[in-house]
Amino acid sequence: AQSVTQLGSHVSVSEGALVLLRCNYSSSVPPYLFWYVQYPNQGLQLLLKYTSAATLVKGINGFEAEFKKSETSFHLTKPSAHMSDAAEYFCAVSGGDTDKLIFGTGTRLQVFP
Amino acid sequence: EAQVTQNPRYLITVTGKKLTVTCSQNMNHEYMSWYRQDPGLGLRQIYYSMNVEVTDKGDVPEGYKVSRKEKRNFPLILESPSPNQTSLYFCASSDDRFTYEQYFGPGTRLTVT
Repeated sequence: AQSVTQLGSHVSVSEGALVLLRCNYSSSVPPYLFWYVQYPNQGLQLLLKYTSAATLVKGINGFEAEFKKSETSFHLTKPSAHMSDAAEYFCAVSGGDTDKLIFGTGTRLQVFP
Repeated sequence: EAQVTQNPRYLITVTGKKLTVTCSQNMNHEYMSWYRQDPGLGLRQIYYSMNVEVTDKGDVPEGYKVSRKEKRNFPLILESPSPNQTSLYFCASSDDRFTYEQYFGPGTRLTVT
């Protein structure tokens, strides 16, 4: 069965610092991987997705993620945090014998001035 | 504008009083889904629907019902709400049967007292 683990329920960075949000997946088949962002009082919005093309995926708002099969990871990064990046971020996996998205428990990003 | 809409956005009710949360999408998507979001648990799927008149249980279906009489609508019904159904609910839709990339509604915050 597929699963997703997000390490760290809360991450705090200073404005301008590197953002690194960790996601590891468990899948017996090549997965599809997603990062969604949830701003306060809003629904989830797709940041980026991996669907077996390039392993380095670029998304909106300067975020990117790299699919590393050997590490079963899909970590989300942004070189320089902005105050507007403060939100909750969810990693999700699909594919194989499942007909749904499976979400991680989320990581809340705080950005300090 | 392509979107998923939910109503109401906020609802406070009492134990046992039947309620319905509506969900509608204007993208002609076949796949629709309901999730609940609880702190520390991420998003958990309640029910999903592959097409009109085709619905199936997700991970946490107890206490909920759904119907899919029209392609665009997928209401969530709580016949006898209980306090443990206090949560943030999201409706989502998708037209991608391979990745299940989903578009989310704005959410409905339900409080059952």
